[in-house]
Amino acid sequence: DTAVSQTPKYLVTQMGNDKSIKCEQNLGHDTMYWYKQDSKKFLKIMFSYNNKELIINETVPNRFSPKSPDKAHLNLHINSLELGDSAVYFCASSLWDRNYEQYFGPGTRLTVT
Amino acid sequence: GQQVMQIPQYQHVQEGEDFTTYCNSSTTLSNIQWYKQRPGGHPVFLIQLVKSGEVKKQKRLTFQFGEAKKNSSLHITATQTTDVGTYFCAGSHNYGQNFVFGPGTRLSVLP
Repeated sequence: DTAVSQTPKYLVTQMGNDKSIKCEQNLGHDTMYWYKQDSKKFLKIMFSYNNKELIINETVPNRFSPKSPDKAHLNLHINSLELGDSAVYFCASSLWDRNYEQYFGPGTRLTVT
Repeated sequence: GQQVMQIPQYQHVQEGEDFTTYCNSSTTLSNIQWYKQRPGGHPVFLIQLVKSGEVKKQKRLTFQFGEAKKNSSLHITATQTTDVGTYFCAGSHNYGQNFVFGPGTRLSVLP
């Protein structure tokens, strides 16, 4: 009965490859987010979707493309991976009109070699 | 752009000592949230503050929002080893559409 789940938990890949990370929430939330946490633990928002519509798109390379097939899912596809993409990627969800308390998934540790 | 700073970056305390982390924004915030991330874990929501001068308590944790809504603090009384982790503040200008996280304060508690 995990609230916010992400797959895979670990991802090791080579530069230039394309990879996807999946996120699912079973909390009935209508807003989902992707965050990147670098090696210094800085948490930076990348994207936010409300009811499947993109509402936040921070300055992120267009190699990163989110996709929300429904309110419970938000996937992140990354093209042409670079060394600097190595980080922990967190998915989170919240209710738009309920204090925006965010529930985070366990994270996906991406290592690009 | 909006910046949220936190001090200190690291804090080592003896179990039983108090701990405070401070969060400062370069601009006035609409609301601020606090999260805790255990080593190897994910951020977990602790609390949200909305009103100017607001003070909220959760057992040994006390959260404050400054009068000008540009700063906040988290104080832990009599730390325990279970308090170990990184504490993040996250500020918003538009009531939650976009939260900017501070760099976090990493707390170590020595038994």
